[in-house]
Amino acid sequence: GAVVSQHPSRVICKSGTSVKIECRSLDFQATTMFWYRQFPKQSLMLMATSNEGSKATYEQGVEKDKFLINHASLTLSTLTVTSAHPEDSSFYICSAYRDSNQPQHFGDGTRLSIL
Amino acid sequence: GQNIDQPTEMTATEGAIVQINCTYQTSGFNGLFWYQQHAGEAPTFLSYNVLDGLEEKGRFSSFLSRSKGYSYLLLKELQMKDSASYLCAPKKNTPLVFGKGTRLSVIA
Repeated sequence: GAVVSQHPSRVICKSGTSVKIECRSLDFQATTMFWYRQFPKQSLMLMATSNEGSKATYEQGVEKDKFLINHASLTLSTLTVTSAHPEDSSFYICSAYRDSNQPQHFGDGTRLSIL
Repeated sequence: GQNIDQPTEMTATEGAIVQINCTYQTSGFNGLFWYQQHAGEAPTFLSYNVLDGLEEKGRFSSFLSRSKGYSYLLLKELQMKDSASYLCAPKKNTPLVFGKGTRLSVIA
């Protein structure tokens, strides 16, 4: 069964809207979760590492004020795309592992379309 | 960096065997993952090799040579549903980094 749950699976909204995506680890605690983004026919790009109880670590070129990450509990990380614009339209996928020696498991992804 | 190198695309016939190669350059190597990603979906875990050699799991097998920085994924008895991208991801003490993967098309 699913190890990581992600919600919503699809969002269509107007430009300027803020969108929140949730990522939950099922039956295990994840002190660290990862957020990726994938454009069509491109590779998965790591956006940030979400750390429970502390600030997220962002990859170079990812705006931390644009993509707000909150990891308030050991089973939940949220990514908020603030004031989304059409260029933010993409497939956003979260990931977590039970421990660093285990595989990373991915949520089902969220397809974000900004009109 | 990871410098992951895989063929961009491959085509194989239903029922056949296909081998997808992956070479990589990475320091602090801790093992290698293979994931499958169908179009429009998130990746799913296939295999994890830490030691040299071949690991078999049903129709899929994965091989690793640490000294050569080389791995391959072997798919047997191909089915149409195996059409997907296959991602090779060397593991360091960081989140997994992926290349574009190999897009496999299985034809009748």
